[in-house]
Amino acid sequence: DSGVTQTPKHLITATGQRVTLRCSPRSGDLSVYWYQQSLDQGLQFLIQYYNGEERAKGNILERFSAQQFPDLHSELNLSSLELGDSALYFCASSALDLSNTIYFGEGSWLTVV
Amino acid sequence: SQELEQSPQSLIVQEGKNLTINCTSSKTLYGLYWYKQKYGEGLIFLMMLQKGGEEKSHEKITAKLDEKKQQSSLHITASQPSHAGIYLCGADPNAGGTSYGKLTFGQGTILTVHP
Repeated sequence: DSGVTQTPKHLITATGQRVTLRCSPRSGDLSVYWYQQSLDQGLQFLIQYYNGEERAKGNILERFSAQQFPDLHSELNLSSLELGDSALYFCASSALDLSNTIYFGEGSWLTVV
Repeated sequence: SQELEQSPQSLIVQEGKNLTINCTSSKTLYGLYWYKQKYGEGLIFLMMLQKGGEEKSHEKITAKLDEKKQQSSLHITASQPSHAGIYLCGADPNAGGTSYGKLTFGQGTILTVHP
């Protein structure tokens, strides 16, 4: 158990819908990262927050947005969903904003039908 | 942009055998992470290497970063069924870890260990 908690574990939704994935980082970690894993693209970095502020962006679509709240939990919002958004979404956390040990959660499986 | 190539893509071994997985980068590696992925368990952190020539071990798994910092290897000694899973290497492309966790990952190596 990495200490990073993600909900829901599985989600099935229709195209055009909007979903929210939730992440609680390890106790004391200020940085939260979101990654997307799909068969064709592999594991790709989406976005990072540190203590509530956005710090880095990867290949995140404009239909996707994220935020980190004062209690440090984070949410990834996916809207106008397409079939190609079906993937495993990981949240990860670390203690500092510089790259050090990054712990991943179990992921949220999103299926868009 | 940095690209990571893992080899082999898949590996089937008999329990008790040793094995090695390689991760080769198109650019200098400033931080190299090894993770293991199993269904329902997410990505399990194994080791992180930062210095050229660095070697770390945990139980029966040893990871090395070569002197030129463009390749890392993961070696498992006396493999067990519990070692089965997908092994992923992830790289921090910036010196000093300034990429803010924006890691680039290899495509993964699927390891099967037959009892």
